[in-house]
Amino acid sequence: DIVMTQTPLSLSVTPGQPASISCKSSQSLLHSDGKTYLYWYLQKPGQPPQLLIYEVSNRFSGVPDRFSGSGSGTDFTLKISRVEAEDVGVYYCMQSIQLPGLTFGGGTKVEIK
Amino acid sequence: QVQLVQSGAEVKKPGASVKVSCKASGYTFTGYYMHWVRQAPGQGLEWMGWINPNSGGTNYAQKFQGRVTMTRDTSISTAYMELSRLRSDDTAVYYCARDGDYDSSGYYYGIDYWGQGTLVTVSS
Repeated sequence: DIVMTQTPLSLSVTPGQPASISCKSSQSLLHSDGKTYLYWYLQKPGQPPQLLIYEVSNRFSGVPDRFSGSGSGTDFTLKISRVEAEDVGVYYCMQSIQLPGLTFGGGTKVEIK
Repeated sequence: QVQLVQSGAEVKKPGASVKVSCKASGYTFTGYYMHWVRQAPGQGLEWMGWINPNSGGTNYAQKFQGRVTMTRDTSISTAYMELSRLRSDDTAVYYCARDGDYDSSGYYYGIDYWGQGTLVTVSS
């Protein structure tokens, strides 16, 4: 299985300040079809995960533009330009280039200072 | 709007089986694969497998092969996940999650909608 490694494990951010989460995969997520199957989810406390970013850098419907994704190959980043209180939770990256064998990163917990 | 509504919490003894349901609404059930993902208490997300609701075809994570069975009933737009020979480390929240579509630019949404989760507790 492809191993997804997220850093940091946790982040404490002052409201209005930026935050950045890294996700590295053990194999390239660039498929021969030209797509890169890397996704970002936010799991707010007591809720199921919700899709934020699909195929590296595309914001899902309703996701604020303060969220952005970037990267290629095996290195990816999720950035929050100005963290708000509603952004607290655990962020997960996920790869789906390998099915069966879809895997998630270990998660990054974001809290507000 | 897309909704996935799962069955309620379960408490099972070791060695028993559990069957979790996931009722879909707001879209064509047979048009989208359904994943099952679980999350042990305080832990991360673990993919279990998926089912093609149209054909009934399945694909399971190797870890669960032989213990998991995913089925569907298209007449009521419901997917099921049954896990047998339960152990204490199967205690987790089990989620169904829809495999999405493509946006207008051809980008693939991946897993786009999730059920609310079903807590399965395995305890003697």
